[in-house]
Amino acid sequence: GDSVTQMEGPVTLSEEAFLTINCTYTATGYPSLFWYVQYPGEGLQLLLKATKADDKGSNKGFEATYRKETTSFHLEKGSVQVSDSAVYFCALRWTGNQFYFGTGTSLTVIP
Amino acid sequence: DVKVTQSSRYLVKRTGEKVFLECVQDMDHENMFWYRQDPGLGLRLIYFSYDVKMKEKGDIPEGYSVSREKKERFSLILESASTNQTSMYLCASTTGLQETQYFGPGTRLLVL
Repeated sequence: GDSVTQMEGPVTLSEEAFLTINCTYTATGYPSLFWYVQYPGEGLQLLLKATKADDKGSNKGFEATYRKETTSFHLEKGSVQVSDSAVYFCALRWTGNQFYFGTGTSLTVIP
Repeated sequence: DVKVTQSSRYLVKRTGEKVFLECVQDMDHENMFWYRQDPGLGLRLIYFSYDVKMKEKGDIPEGYSVSREKKERFSLILESASTNQTSMYLCASTTGLQETQYFGPGTRLLVL
């Protein structure tokens, strides 16, 4: 069935470091792909999305490119800030109304 | 802005109690979802609803039921709470045409 596998954390980076969080998916077709972010004490909120192959989603300095050939949607940011500390979830939506989420990657950015 | 609200942020209940978690959205979304979030397991879908009085089981429906009497409200019911239902519960909604899910702030439930 459809599923998402993302890099296990926790990840700890210094401020201004480069961030990559890996995400790969399994789906029978061409799902829409998402990254959600959960700040401490809050629900999830959409960070970015891509709906077809080679699309690049971007928001708040984060980027992810939908790679059909590698079934991946890795999240990147060139220079992280302390305020980026959160849990990041990769997700997909294919047929129907159901979404599939990865297990989440906790990021801590230290000054 | 879409707003999804949940009735409680924190809840403490005793084993065997009946527990109601309420979720309300204000954007006339057709689809609503209940997830539980546990460390190392991510989000797991309990139930979802695509219309009033309609419901579908998700991946882990055992021990839970749901009610959707009005379009804006989706309730999760723990018929007889158990300690293994201690978790963070997240509600979400979306329209059929829109792919982004909007989440509430979550309810952290502790069952003693």
